[in-house]
Amino acid sequence: QKEVEQDPGPLSVPEGAIVSLNCTYSNSAFQYFMWYRQYSRKGPELLMYTYSSGNKEDGRFTAQVDKSSKYISLFIRDSQPSDSATYLCASDRGSTLGRLYFGRGTQLTVWP
Amino acid sequence: DTGVSQDPRHKITKRGQNVTFRCDPISEHNRLYWYRQTLGQGPEFLTYFQNEAQLEKSRLLSDRFSAERPKGSFSTLEIQRTEQGDSAMYLCASSPGRAAETQYFGPGTRLLVL
Repeated sequence: QKEVEQDPGPLSVPEGAIVSLNCTYSNSAFQYFMWYRQYSRKGPELLMYTYSSGNKEDGRFTAQVDKSSKYISLFIRDSQPSDSATYLCASDRGSTLGRLYFGRGTQLTVWP
Repeated sequence: DTGVSQDPRHKITKRGQNVTFRCDPISEHNRLYWYRQTLGQGPEFLTYFQNEAQLEKSRLLSDRFSAERPKGSFSTLEIQRTEQGDSAMYLCASSPGRAAETQYFGPGTRLLVL
């Protein structure tokens, strides 16, 4: 079992829809939770991160972590065609160990 | 642009050849990471440095792989005797070192082994 599981999709939605992307993780030691966006043939771009449980909002993006169920979510409001990309969730233990554990990514297409 | 840079962006090589990739982190970031990403998968951790010290290596990093960060600035990743299974995107990331969560990635080096 991978440390972080993510449904690869693909997910296809019309412009303006609310998108929900989800991951689960297995390691109770994880403390930091990140979402990256990756366009085709590019490096991952950090969207936002949260520490422990709770919500964090940044513009049209909201990240949510529920440590009791080991569930990570990213919501995109008013989705745009430019949001079409692969979204990767990642976690780490917040210690000096440093490595990130990634899900396999969800491919999102927002059509006009 | 002061982001993470990687060179080359693409590399095609024949099986058995050696290849070397370079990563220049964001200035003043003392942590530098290498990951490998294959098609349809998320990045997988290979190794990371704090300044010039290599602090952790994944078991994915076989004896054919070596990474260095000689002066705590840029880093190189060398693959000796390449195999077709080494074909992947090799990603470099850096962080300021205060916490692991803010890792910023470069554009990657796409390797194809024929």
